[in-house]
Amino acid sequence: AQKVTQAQTEISVVEKEDVTLDCVYETRDTTYYLFWYKQPPSGELVFLIRRNSFDEQNEISGRYSWNFQKSTSSFNFTITASQVVDSAVYFCALSGVYQTGANNLFFGTGTRLTVIP
Amino acid sequence: KAGVTQTPRYLIKTRGQQVTLSCSPISGHRSVSWYQQTPGQGLQFLFEYFSETQRNKGNFPGRFSGRQFSNSRSEMNVSTLELGDSALYLCASSLDRSYEQYFGPGTRLTVT
Repeated sequence: AQKVTQAQTEISVVEKEDVTLDCVYETRDTTYYLFWYKQPPSGELVFLIRRNSFDEQNEISGRYSWNFQKSTSSFNFTITASQVVDSAVYFCALSGVYQTGANNLFFGTGTRLTVIP
Repeated sequence: KAGVTQTPRYLIKTRGQQVTLSCSPISGHRSVSWYQQTPGQGLQFLFEYFSETQRNKGNFPGRFSGRQFSNSRSEMNVSTLELGDSALYLCASSLDRSYEQYFGPGTRLTVT
């Protein structure tokens, strides 16, 4: 079975602080993909990153960075120097290529991030 | 490039009625997936269509159905609406399997 756990339900930080959102996943698939999406108050899910199970390289994109560790089944997301516009609900998601179909995304319950000015 | 569009954005229906939601994918994308988002169950996969064929299905009752047209546009239908069907229905498109999915703004359905 596929499962994604985002233990942090809500996080509040003051602007310019760094914040890390945790994501732990479970899958029996040997080939899988991990994703992060952002859902601002408007409701639309915004794609942030996709990572496949064979690529454990960390990635940095501007103020965003992702740390993928297969050994701990984690795919954590860090925002550096947070801004008010980062306030949103962030979802981690998993798709297993063989067991459940590559386009069937299993989402975590989301972490609501509030950045206080 | 235009994003994923969904119509209508808001709907209010009565229990027992049926509803059809529409989704136009990003140009060139052939895969369309549908998700239901509720406060209690979170985001759940409904089904995926590719080249007019249902390729994958989540754990939803048969009252939920969909189809895809030759231009990749997709519709989902919910028959015999129940109060629990009140949700945000999100459509996502992608080039094919395992590519990133881009989501539309959603249709918020309220069943009274």
